[in-house]
Amino acid sequence: QVQLQESGPGLVKPSETLSLTCTVSGGPISSYYWNWIRQFPGKGLEWIGHIYYSGSTSYNPSLKSRVTISLDTSKNQFSLRLSSVTAADTAVYYCARASNWNDLLLDYWGQGTLVTVSS
Amino acid sequence: DIVMTQSPDSLAVSLGERATIDCKSSQSVLYSSNNKNYLAWYQQKPGQPPKLLIYWASTRESGVPDRFSGSGSGTDFTLTISSLQAEDVAVYYCQQYYSTLPTFGPGTKVDIK
Repeated sequence: QVQLQESGPGLVKPSETLSLTCTVSGGPISSYYWNWIRQFPGKGLEWIGHIYYSGSTSYNPSLKSRVTISLDTSKNQFSLRLSSVTAADTAVYYCARASNWNDLLLDYWGQGTLVTVSS
Repeated sequence: DIVMTQSPDSLAVSLGERATIDCKSSQSVLYSSNNKNYLAWYQQKPGQPPKLLIYWASTRESGVPDRFSGSGSGTDFTLTISSLQAEDVAVYYCQQYYSTLPTFGPGTKVDIK
């Protein structure tokens, strides 16, 4: 059974960079797309981007200038960096695996981690 | 961007009764080359991540009870819970994965009447 676990600081100051890591266990990181999604306090869900095991990435255009997703296959981990954060980036951040059926269909999710942007 | 809307915002249904949630997309998510609707449904219980219930608009994910069913095509879709159980209390989201930017509906909260 594939499991994903997010880790990283729960509090980030405005203008700084949010950094999160997702550790994948119970299955290989190869041959799948690995996604980051966030859920705002009002409960809306927003796709941030994903990375394929080969290293190719795709990002939400609204965040593209501030986002980097990277992969460390040796550690079975992938990471999110979001720069120049503001209070509007406060959300629960989820990592998720995309299904074999489609690279944007999300079949396994981490439990999520709340990131608050505040000074 | 493809905008997803859902109705109602919330509903309360008696145990054992039917619950129906509608989802509309601002443009068709039916891919003509394979005749598949790129539409999924997720269930989110309090304090938990979303869980994939249905994909291709009507295919149940493995392990999902058959009281959950999805229907529709093009721009109009429905999630039906045929006989509501207590454990079905949750928020339900639709998601399109037709475009390179996947988008979610705002969610529908389902409660027990």
